[in-house]
Amino acid sequence: QKEVEQNSGPLSVPEGAIASLNCTYSDRGSQSFFWYRQYSGKSPELIMFIYSNGDKEDGRFTAQLNKASQYVSLLIRDSQPSDSATYLCAVNLNSGGSNYKLTFGKGTLLTVNP
Amino acid sequence: EPEVTQTPSHQVTQMGQEVILRCVPISNHLYFYWYRQILGQKVEFLVSFYNNEISEKSEIFDDQFSVERPDGSNFTLKIRSTKLEDSAMYFCASSVQGGPGELFFGEGSRLTVL
Repeated sequence: QKEVEQNSGPLSVPEGAIASLNCTYSDRGSQSFFWYRQYSGKSPELIMFIYSNGDKEDGRFTAQLNKASQYVSLLIRDSQPSDSATYLCAVNLNSGGSNYKLTFGKGTLLTVNP
Repeated sequence: EPEVTQTPSHQVTQMGQEVILRCVPISNHLYFYWYRQILGQKVEFLVSFYNNEISEKSEIFDDQFSVERPDGSNFTLKIRSTKLEDSAMYFCASSVQGGPGELFFGEGSRLTVL
């Protein structure tokens, strides 16, 4: 059974702080890793994806992957109230090829307080 | 910006009735997906579709579910005899390739089975 685990939160940070979101996965064969943001009642919106061990930065967001520890994280710098949402970690067995059969975590609710 | 569109946004049906959810993927995309999210639960993969056939399906996608691309633009999910537990948000998604890159989600169709 492939599992993706996240702390459900809520994680509360003040505006301007760094928010750190964590995710672990069970299947060592997983190849690609995604962070989605989901506002209440809305669809998932891709923030970043990462395939290789290490860090990947995009603006205020940094994804970190450690395949040996089966751990992926998302850092949000200079958090804004508009970042308040549920953050979903998703994992795919394929790094490319024919399928986006993603396994999602339940998500971490982030609240950024003004 | 191109987007995945879904109809209806909300459908209420009686248990045992057939439901068809419709999606128009982004026009140059080749891979199509249905995911669902029961209220308060994880986003779950249902099925992927490529080259006019199912490429992969989950154990949730049993004989009461079917998908088709009837006219080259629409992508539909049919639930033959709805059950109470089918109540969920159903997300259609599409991608240019199976990966890497972005999986674009539609806004979802909320199905309520009474």
